[in-house]
Amino acid sequence: NAGVMQNPRHLVRRRGQEARLRCSPMKGHSHVYWYRQLPEEGLKFMVYLQKENIIDESGMPKERFSAEFPKEGPSILRIQQVVRGDSAAYFCASSPGRGLTSQQYFGPGTRLTVT
Amino acid sequence: AQKVTQAQTEISVVEKEDVTLDCVYETRDTTYYLFWYKQPPSGELVFLIRRNSFDEQNEISGRYSWNFQKSTSSFNFTITASQVVDSAVYFCALSEGQGAQKLVFGQGTRLTINP
Repeated sequence: NAGVMQNPRHLVRRRGQEARLRCSPMKGHSHVYWYRQLPEEGLKFMVYLQKENIIDESGMPKERFSAEFPKEGPSILRIQQVVRGDSAAYFCASSPGRGLTSQQYFGPGTRLTVT
Repeated sequence: AQKVTQAQTEISVVEKEDVTLDCVYETRDTTYYLFWYKQPPSGELVFLIRRNSFDEQNEISGRYSWNFQKSTSSFNFTITASQVVDSAVYFCALSEGQGAQKLVFGQGTRLTINP
C-alpha cells in the first residue's frame, strides 16, 4: 500500500515563474492537507481539501496561492509569480475521513527553491 | 486559540544520556489529540505517537516514552540511552475538534546526539 506521494521532490524556479506541486493521497483517502515549512521553522497549515471542495483555506496566503483536489488525479498546490520568500518545504498529508479520529499521513515533501 | 510551544530550540547531549523534550500546548477544547513527529536530516516527517485528551496514561515504546499531563498542559518526550541516530528535529503538534483536523505544530527542537 503506497504512502502519500509528492512530486517533484525538489523544484527550482526563478522569481516570477509558476510552481506546481502535486500530491497523490494514500489509496482510499479522500482528504488532503497542505503544510508549509519555512527554513528553521515548524510546519504551518495552509489548506484542507476534499475531492472537488476546499474545506478550510485559513492558512493560505491571499494572493498567488491556490489549491485544488479534482475528482480524478492528484491534489495540486499552485504558486504563481514565485518570490524568494516562497522557498520552503511543502508537505502534503492525507486522511481517510474527517474528524479527530482520522489519522493524517504525511508525504516526503517538495522542496521549493526560488532563485 | 490553539498553540504549541517547544521552548527548547536546540539540545545537544552525549550518546547514552537520557534527554527530555518539552512540549506545552494551549487549547480551549476538551477533545483533542497530541502528536510527536521526528524530522531526520533527510527531511521527511516520521510519525512517533498520537494521544487523545482522554488518555493520560504514559506510554513507552522501546527507548521512547511520553508523559502527558493535562494539569500542566504538557506532553513531554523522553529518549532513554540516546543514540546518534536519534539526532533530528522533533515536533510536537496538536489537533482539536470540530471537523477540520488541521495540525498546529510547535517550532521544533533540534536534538544532536554526539558520539
